[in-house]
Amino acid sequence: GENVEQHPSTLSVQEGDSAVIKCTYSDSASNYFPWYKQELGKGPQLIIDIRSNVGEKKDQRIAVTLNKTAKHFSLHITETQPEDSAVYFCASNSGGTSYGKLTFGQGTILTVHP
Amino acid sequence: GAVVSQHPSRVICKSGTSVKIECRSLDFQATTMFWYRQFPKQSLMLMATSNEGSKATYEQGVEKDKFLINHASLTLSTLTVTSAHPEDSSFYICSATDTNEQFFGPGTRLTVL
Repeated sequence: GENVEQHPSTLSVQEGDSAVIKCTYSDSASNYFPWYKQELGKGPQLIIDIRSNVGEKKDQRIAVTLNKTAKHFSLHITETQPEDSAVYFCASNSGGTSYGKLTFGQGTILTVHP
Repeated sequence: GAVVSQHPSRVICKSGTSVKIECRSLDFQATTMFWYRQFPKQSLMLMATSNEGSKATYEQGVEKDKFLINHASLTLSTLTVTSAHPEDSSFYICSATDTNEQFFGPGTRLTVL
């Protein structure tokens, strides 16, 4: 089955700096890669996603890049703010749909210091 | 976006009792619902996939007789933890899909004493 590795496990930045989280996946059939933000005691919230036919996608301060050849994708957050502090999870779906079974990475605890 | 609710948000029970957790899609019909379990400081692990009107599909290692899933309608799925033990204490999260996107519930914190 699919295996998703996520790094780093913790990331601490100063407000205004950029943050980058990286994930690798094992199943070459994977075609859908969402990123989730989870605040303490809450369910995960989708913040951005990308499909295999696109190399990069951006939404304001958040961007995701995908390298299908190397089987890795990354989350980039620019101009970080304290409210960006949370746990971030990458995921993949080998079925290629946004509504199918997801395999999650281990998570990254992002702390943004004011 | 669409809203998925879970009830209760927190539950504390004694060892050996059963606990039911509800997952509802509030403003859309969910063709499929998923149940995840998340231990402290760990990732989400898929437990089972639930389709309305059919038996749930459980992931390897998940006991189907212990974690009973019922998906009786397109807006409601329930997870019952039978004969709960302290090791079942966890954060249980459901998600629901409308064949276009997957939406996650807020989670249910189960503590078994």
